Amino acid sequence: GENVEQHPSTLSVQEGDSAVIKCTYSDSASNYFPWYKQELGKRPQLIIDIRSNVGEKKDQRIAVTLNKTAKHFSLHITETQPEDSAVYFCAASKNGNEKLTFGTGTRLTIIP
Amino acid sequence: DVKVTQSSRYLVKRTGEKVFLECVQDMDHENMFWYRQDPGLGLRLIYFSYDVKMKEKGDIPEGYSVSREKKERFSLILESASTNQTSMYLCAAHTGTPNEQYFGPGTRLTVT
Repeated sequence: GENVEQHPSTLSVQEGDSAVIKCTYSDSASNYFPWYKQELGKRPQLIIDIRSNVGEKKDQRIAVTLNKTAKHFSLHITETQPEDSAVYFCAASKNGNEKLTFGTGTRLTIIP
Repeated sequence: DVKVTQSSRYLVKRTGEKVFLECVQDMDHENMFWYRQDPGLGLRLIYFSYDVKMKEKGDIPEGYSVSREKKERFSLILESASTNQTSMYLCAAHTGTPNEQYFGPGTRLTVT
């Protein structure tokens, strides 16, 4: 089955700096890669996703890049703010509406 | 507004008890999922269902079963609770538009 690895497990970034979280996947048939954000005590929520026919996608301060050949994808957050502090999960699936395999999560802390 | 609800936020059960965790969605979607969340392990898929009466094992189904008698309701059953099933349990339903697994608030289960 699919295996998703995520690094780093914790990340501390000065407010205003950029943060990058990286994930690798094992199954070359995977074609949908979402990122979820979980704030303390809250449910995970989708923040951005990318499909395998696209190399990069941006939404304001967040962007995701995908390298199909290397089987890795990354989340980039620019101009970080205190409200970006959360746990971020990457995931992969063979089809957008099917089961997801999640990474182990990255706890991002923004230092004021 | 999309809604996924879970029967309890906190639950304490004794070893050997049969435990039912209920999840209800109001989105009229077929796809529903049960995950458990443990620190450092991320979100791991226990069972999922793509339709009424249908169920599929996820990555860690041992010790669990599920029931999907109605489209809106997906129940997770611990036949004989054990201490290693102490965890946060999250139910999710796939929304379609946006392409998101919408999570419930979670049930923190403690087995003593």
